[in-house]
Amino acid sequence: DAGVIQSPRHEVTEMGQEVTLRCKPISGHDYLFWYRQTMMRGLELLIYFNNNVPIDDSGMPEDRFSAKMPNASFSTLKIQPSEPRDSAVYFCASRLQGGEQFFGPGTRLTVL
Amino acid sequence: GDSVTQMEGPVTLSEEAFLTINCTYTATGYPSLFWYVQYPGEGLQLLLKATKADDKGSNKGFEATYRKETTSFHLEKGSVQVSDSAVYFCALRRGSGGSNYKLTFGKGTLLTVNP
Repeated sequence: DAGVIQSPRHEVTEMGQEVTLRCKPISGHDYLFWYRQTMMRGLELLIYFNNNVPIDDSGMPEDRFSAKMPNASFSTLKIQPSEPRDSAVYFCASRLQGGEQFFGPGTRLTVL
Repeated sequence: GDSVTQMEGPVTLSEEAFLTINCTYTATGYPSLFWYVQYPGEGLQLLLKATKADDKGSNKGFEATYRKETTSFHLEKGSVQVSDSAVYFCALRRGSGGSNYKLTFGKGTLLTVNP
């Protein structure tokens, strides 16, 4: 079975541009998580969904960040406008209720 | 709040050396404890876990024992290989309550094993 799929794997953009990161969770999983990984702050949970509904977005750094999950097989994380300090690796993860989290390969974002 | 503290890296070892990566935690209740591994360019993978005190998680020659009295979950391997080079993350998840979905991670420890 395919694991968590993320696209793009790498994104380079200029400050002020809109960035959209995409995630396809493992089929049947009902929880989806977005994380950000940086050298300074380590791995941070940004937001998570249960059955496509956002449950906790307290980790979203500011209003420039938004996440959606229009259906059980797709989620997006959008940054508008992007800033150089948003440069990081963004991971998506999914799991079944009571199960373990499976992580995608990540999207490496560079904002110039 | 919940927190995980793990030894700072990087850790550099020769092949067949003994590995210990220390991890301590702060949490209310009785959390489950995990070690994840991240190979270069990849996402995190679950390496092992323990769900209650005195449990020992093990996988691929790695072991960690849930020590409630010292709030620790140190990762060990008796003989490391070059292929073990990766970043290792200690994490916890609360056993119950409103936050039992959430994993809290340590900062990660980079391990490099030289031939």
